[in-house]
Amino acid sequence: AQSVTQPDIHITVSEGASLELRCNYSYGATPYLFWYVQSPGQGLQLLLKYFSGDTLVQGIKGFEAEFKRSQSSFNLRKPSVHWSDAAEYFCAVVPYSGAGSYQLTFGKGTKLSVIP
Amino acid sequence: DGGITQSPKYLFRKEGQNVTLSCEQNLNHDAMYWYRQDPGQGLRLIYYSQIVNDFQKGDIAEGYSVSREKKESFPLTVTSAQKNPTAFYLCASSAAVRGSNSPLHFGNGTRLTVT
Repeated sequence: AQSVTQPDIHITVSEGASLELRCNYSYGATPYLFWYVQSPGQGLQLLLKYFSGDTLVQGIKGFEAEFKRSQSSFNLRKPSVHWSDAAEYFCAVVPYSGAGSYQLTFGKGTKLSVIP
Repeated sequence: DGGITQSPKYLFRKEGQNVTLSCEQNLNHDAMYWYRQDPGQGLRLIYYSQIVNDFQKGDIAEGYSVSREKKESFPLTVTSAQKNPTAFYLCASSAAVRGSNSPLHFGNGTRLTVT
């Protein structure tokens, strides 16, 4: 079955440390890929997206993600984490370029805690 | 500023009662969506609408109903037939259902508690 996997349920990092959140998908074609962030009790905000072209994409708040077709991965990275980055992060996938947004599948999320 | 407004933020109901969650957008988006979020489960699509007066079931539509009488509004009714209605409900919109430049914009959600 097609799916989106975020292997880490909860990650804790120290402020100033680097961060990598993992996302793997199981779709045959190259999907559209997204990372969203959710602060407690709030909606989701788009961090970045990949549709085609350069496999390293830059997003807001200093985040970047790299699409690796061979590994079916789209990992989110940040070189230096700030306390305000503590939130839950969701990877999401539209299965192929012609699919509709209603076919968006979300991973189960990774909760990030930041130690001052 | 354009955005999506969901109201109320918190909603409490007794079991057996229907309840309607409001979602209004001023982004001039054609497509609107309702998601349900449960802890550790990610987001699951309840209903979506591509245009006014048209809507489609998502993955977990049973026990829910929607209407789309205006482009700006997409209310969700949680009926007494929904067996486990307590959850966080998120409304979203996009410029179109298809296309590379149509990411979802989300409201801040309504937390529904049914006792």
